[in-house]
Amino acid sequence: TQLLEQSPQFLSIQEGENLTVYCNSSSVFSSLQWYRQEPGEGPVLLVTVVTGGEVKKLKRLTFQFGDARKDSSLHITAAQPGDTGLYLCAGAGVYNFNKFYFGSGTKLNVKP
Amino acid sequence: GAVVSQHPSRVICKSGTSVKIECRSLDFQATTMFWYRQFPKKSLMLMATSNEGSKATYEQGVEKDKFLINHASLTLSTLTVTSAHPEDSSFYICSARDPGQGKYNSPLHFGNGTRLTVT
Repeated sequence: TQLLEQSPQFLSIQEGENLTVYCNSSSVFSSLQWYRQEPGEGPVLLVTVVTGGEVKKLKRLTFQFGDARKDSSLHITAAQPGDTGLYLCAGAGVYNFNKFYFGSGTKLNVKP
Repeated sequence: GAVVSQHPSRVICKSGTSVKIECRSLDFQATTMFWYRQFPKKSLMLMATSNEGSKATYEQGVEKDKFLINHASLTLSTLTVTSAHPEDSSFYICSARDPGQGKYNSPLHFGNGTRLTVT
């Protein structure tokens, strides 16, 4: 099992604020994905990063993969109540790119 | 887009009974599916990898005799929780990757999960 630590675990902010969620591991990943999950539903993919140092943007969300492919960050600009949810990072191993292990999760609450 | 269907969405059973959960890939063939377990407000814990036509691969600490996995076809995997106990109550989610969407960038397509409550 490859351990992925996410921080912070909980985040409660006001609408319009910026935030960053971190996903760290001592293991190298072949790829890393970020998901958002609503209560009672399965996770929904936000982005996949594959190359070390890669940066991807999805509207107000910016994702970065660490140079060594061991860590990643998710930055949200001007958060909105609709961003509320559980954010999960998931990394696939170098030897089995099909098997993903999930981070500990970050519960985000954006207050209007 | 690719869809994974999971059934049932909710099930309540009595201690000692067995419960079967189905996971189907609706518009792609999945030689591999994954079963996860999620505790309230927690992340997903990988339980096992379901392999079409062969035995499932279980993660460390997961009892294979408790959680029976069968992957009889390229579109169906089942998880059976045998002799269920209240501590087995949880949210179980399956996932699969569409091999036609690329080696690294294809997402895990998740079912909507099954909420199991054992009384």
